[in-house]
Amino acid sequence: KQEVTQIPAALSVPEGENLVLNCSFTDSAIYNLQWFRQDPGKGLTSLLLIQSSQREQTSGRLNASLDKSSGRSTLYIAASQPGDSATYLCAVKYSGGGADGLTFGKGTHLIIQP
Amino acid sequence: NAGVMQNPRHLVRRRGQEARLRCSPMKGHSHVYWYRQLPEEGLKFMVYLQKENIIDESGMPKERFSAEFPKEGPSILRIQQVVRGDSAAYFCASSLKTRAGELFFGEGSRLTVL
Repeated sequence: KQEVTQIPAALSVPEGENLVLNCSFTDSAIYNLQWFRQDPGKGLTSLLLIQSSQREQTSGRLNASLDKSSGRSTLYIAASQPGDSATYLCAVKYSGGGADGLTFGKGTHLIIQP
Repeated sequence: NAGVMQNPRHLVRRRGQEARLRCSPMKGHSHVYWYRQLPEEGLKFMVYLQKENIIDESGMPKERFSAEFPKEGPSILRIQQVVRGDSAAYFCASSLKTRAGELFFGEGSRLTVL
């Protein structure tokens, strides 16, 4: 079964800390992996997209890595700020059959304490 | 057209009524996806459409739910004879390219069934 798991489910850290969010997936046959941010009651904002041929992507204070062989991705947030508080979602586009849509993890609920 | 537009943002229906949710993709995007987010659950893929075609509806409930993306106008997700279990946030996403394309999400339509 093609699944996506995110650990931890929730995380609370003081402002200024660097942190890592983890995502694992069950099948290495993927087109891409995408990280999103979701604020309460809002839609999803795309943060980073990593194609299957890539190892990492960077945008500002965010860096996402992809290791297909181990079925893992990490989202690194540097110098965290209270405005980073949100739920972070990892989603995989599997290529080895199954549904055409993204498969989402349940997210990591992040709180940055001022 | 700055992004994916969904309406209504909030919809209240009584059991047995019909709900129609609309989605206008980003300009130039011809691929539309619908997802459902139940309370305390992750996002689940429902259906993938291109103009005038349903490509993959493997995530759609077999009864009461239908989707279309006509040649002109927005994509429509239709839920007939709604039940309380249909209460959820329904998100639409669009992409420029199939399969490996980046998905951009709307703000969602929140359906409450009384």
